[in-house]
This record gives sequence, structure tokens and C-alpha cells, in this order.
Amino acid sequence: EIVMTQSPATLSVSPGERATLSCRASQSVSSNLAWYQQKPGQAPRLLIYGASTRATGIPVRFSGSGSGTEFTLAISSLQSEDFALYYCQQYYNWPRTFGQGTKVEIK
Amino acid sequence: EVQLLESGGGLGQPGGSLRLSCAASGFTFSSYGMTWVRQTPGKGLEWVSSISGSGGSTYYADSVKGRFTISRDNSKNTLFLQMNSLRAEDTAVYYCAKKPPAVADVGPYFDYWGQGTLVTVSS
Repeated sequence: EIVMTQSPATLSVSPGERATLSCRASQSVSSNLAWYQQKPGQAPRLLIYGASTRATGIPVRFSGSGSGTEFTLAISSLQSEDFALYYCQQYYNWPRTFGQGTKVEIK
Repeated sequence: EVQLLESGGGLGQPGGSLRLSCAASGFTFSSYGMTWVRQTPGKGLEWVSSISGSGGSTYYADSVKGRFTISRDNSKNTLFLQMNSLRAEDTAVYYCAKKPPAVADVGPYFDYWGQGTLVTVSS
């Protein structure tokens, strides 16, 4: 099983600032990496797939990068609606596995 | 508009059974692999099981293999998860999720999710 590790657990950022979230895989997943956003009481929402492709309707301030074992989700200028939990997920092989999440909170 | 609506959650007894359903609309259900993902406060998101559009291929997490069965009724646009031999650690919110279009894999990542149904296993 591929273990996904996200850091930091919590990121405190001021509105308008840039946020950078990290995700590391225990072995290479190539570019088979997705990012999700989850707000309290809601289901996860797909942000990024293929490590760097934005899903339909996702604002351009969200960007993904990386391949192999190291990945980054960047939010260029945080809006109020971006404060949430973020998860990465690999789909290189079975079982699909998720990171434990990074909470982006208001500083 | 794609909609996924889970039902069937509730209180289950240890060793007992529950059957979850996910009613799908807004897309050609039989053309898409579907997946169950569960979420607990302590363990976060955990992939549980996936099934191909035809139902001919299924995949299970080791934690549920031999206890849970995923199935679908394409005539009723409904996905199921039969949960047997329930354990306390099965307590979670269960989401059904749809695979994206134009991807050959059964369940790579998930472009639409339901709102979830809570399963609590306790005596």
C-alpha cells in the first residue's frame, strides 16, 4: 500500500496570501495524483487531477505540481472560501490511498 | 446535473449487517465505475471499494474484504454496499463517488461525490 503523507497538518495564512501544501508518496505514483478540498459538513470536491490539471470550474488560483513522490498544491491568493481541509490521493495502484489532510485556517 | 444520494446508514450492531444505497442521476450510470469512500475523524478518508460500469470488476480494501460486497443495478441507476460482520471500526460517514469521464480505469479519482450517510456500529 502506498502511504501518502501531507504537510503541514495545519497551515495558518492571511487572506490574500499564498498557501503551499505538500504531499509525499511512499513510492513513485508518477503523475497519478489528485487533490480535493473539503469544507465542514460537505463532501470532498475535486480540485486537481494528473498532479497539475485543474478540474472543471476550479479557479486558476489553484495549481498543482510535482511527479514521482513529491507534490505541491498552491493557492496563489487565498479567498475566504478557500479556508478548508485539503487532501491528496494517489491512483497509481490499488488500494487508492489518501493523505491525512492539511487544514488551511485563517491567520 | 450529476446527483448522488446515499441512504441506508444508521446504527448497526457489532457482527450485524447494513446495506447502503446510492441513487444516481444526471449521467449514464452504466458507463461509469463507482466507488465507496468512508471518512472517520481519526483516520480521514479511506477508499473502501470500487466497481466497474458493467459490474464485472470489483475491488476492495483489505479492511473490508470478505465482509463487504459492492454491487450495482444499472436498470435502477443504483449502487449498493452490503456490509456484513460489522465492526466498531466501520463507524464512519460513507460516500459514493463517480469516476471521471474519458478515463479507462474503474476508479482512479472521483469527480462527483454524494453527501454521505453515517454508519455507527455500536451495541
